[in-house]
Amino acid sequence: DVKVTQSSRYLVKRTGEKVFLECVQDMDHENMFWYRQDPGLGLRLIYFSYDVKMKEKGDIPEGYSVSREKKERFSLILESASTNQTSMYLCASSLLFDHLTSLISYEQYFGPGTRLTVT
Amino acid sequence: KNEVEQSPQNLTAQEGEFITINCSYSVGISALHWLQQHPGGGIVSLFMLSSGKKKHGRLIATINIQEKHSSLHITASHPRDSAVYICAAILSHSGGGADGLTFGKGTHLIIQP
Repeated sequence: DVKVTQSSRYLVKRTGEKVFLECVQDMDHENMFWYRQDPGLGLRLIYFSYDVKMKEKGDIPEGYSVSREKKERFSLILESASTNQTSMYLCASSLLFDHLTSLISYEQYFGPGTRLTVT
Repeated sequence: KNEVEQSPQNLTAQEGEFITINCSYSVGISALHWLQQHPGGGIVSLFMLSSGKKKHGRLIATINIQEKHSSLHITASHPRDSAVYICAAILSHSGGGADGLTFGKGTHLIIQP
């Protein structure tokens, strides 16, 4: 089974603090994603990475950065946390290709989420 | 962009009822992903389908590509089915990777005993 873990389930930080959210997957997936989830807005993509040291902006990258130094680990960084970044943060991973079918694979596997509160 | 619409947004039903959650999309897709999110936040994949119907236990997912519509059905619903159900469309123009996944806003289902 694919396992995606996130460093914290609940986190409380103060405005202006630098915040690191860590995500680790154990299935050698190429793709990794960071989403935030807010009531009424659903899941929105912040950043994704398709390989080590490669990253692409998603729909709402402002105020965030990411780091992918190793294939299994994808970090989301809030350089200076603000109250409007209070949210549920979800990490996901997926294969680039389904090796059985040689087709592009879109199935994403999600971590348990980190509920971040910025006060 | 509201390319994926789910209905209803909220659904409360009695244990044992047959549940239907709908997902409509306005663009061409390669496949559709149904996800379940329990209180506490964890999301699990239920189905990935590009045509026809898939069944897993009491869950059934159907898709009609021509009508741009998918449904998730739960038979003999149980309180433990209470969760948010999310559909995500894999857009057919995407070359792979993240930018091809568009999420609906979710259906909050409560099954009362």
